[in-house]
Amino acid sequence: GAVVSQHPSWVICKSGTSVKIECRSLDFQATTMFWYRQFPKQSLMLMATSNEGSKATYEQGVEKDKFLINHASLTLSTLTVTSAHPEDSSFYICSARDPDGWEGYQETQYFGPGTRLLVL
Amino acid sequence: AQSVSQHNHHVILSEAASLELGCNYSYGGTVNLFWYVQYPGQHLQLLLKYFSGDPLVKGIKGFEAEFIKSKFSFNLRKPSVQWSDTAEYFCAVSFYNQGGKLIFGQGTELSVKP
Repeated sequence: GAVVSQHPSWVICKSGTSVKIECRSLDFQATTMFWYRQFPKQSLMLMATSNEGSKATYEQGVEKDKFLINHASLTLSTLTVTSAHPEDSSFYICSARDPDGWEGYQETQYFGPGTRLLVL
Repeated sequence: AQSVSQHNHHVILSEAASLELGCNYSYGGTVNLFWYVQYPGQHLQLLLKYFSGDPLVKGIKGFEAEFIKSKFSFNLRKPSVQWSDTAEYFCAVSFYNQGGKLIFGQGTELSVKP
């Protein structure tokens, strides 16, 4: 149980285009998902918290208009990188909160396999 | 600001050697503690976690970790590593009533020589 998938696994795009990444919880409902960014040989940096049916909460320094998050259903959150530029090239990882956890207190996150984005 | 630090950036061991990876966090309140592993080309997997109770927790693949509250530490241990343990290890902390957000340490790359 608690499997999270992401699509696509990798994408190459031209500078100025927009790219959408999907994050799905396959066998459970996730009211909250998280989006992270990981640079090579570095740790994960939380970008935003995605809440089903409401606006995402962005971390300080993350551009809301650049990274659009939509959590339209209990099993799907999407991250759209708008007008992508080479500096947006990175590994984007999503996670979903354990549905059996005690929200905000004792809970586990399960991670997707990540999406590697390369902007030319 | 809340932070998590891992002492070792890269650890190289021979098979059968014992492993201990350090992790410290900055916050003095109630925390949840995790160790995740990322094998080459794979996604993050949960090794073990601590919420409350016995400060010595056992995880998968023979790993264990000990929570020492007075030292704000949650070190990962394994008595005898295998070549297949070669991976990146991340310590992560979430803080009570913070919406479940995880703060990750910098990661430790473990290389096990056969």
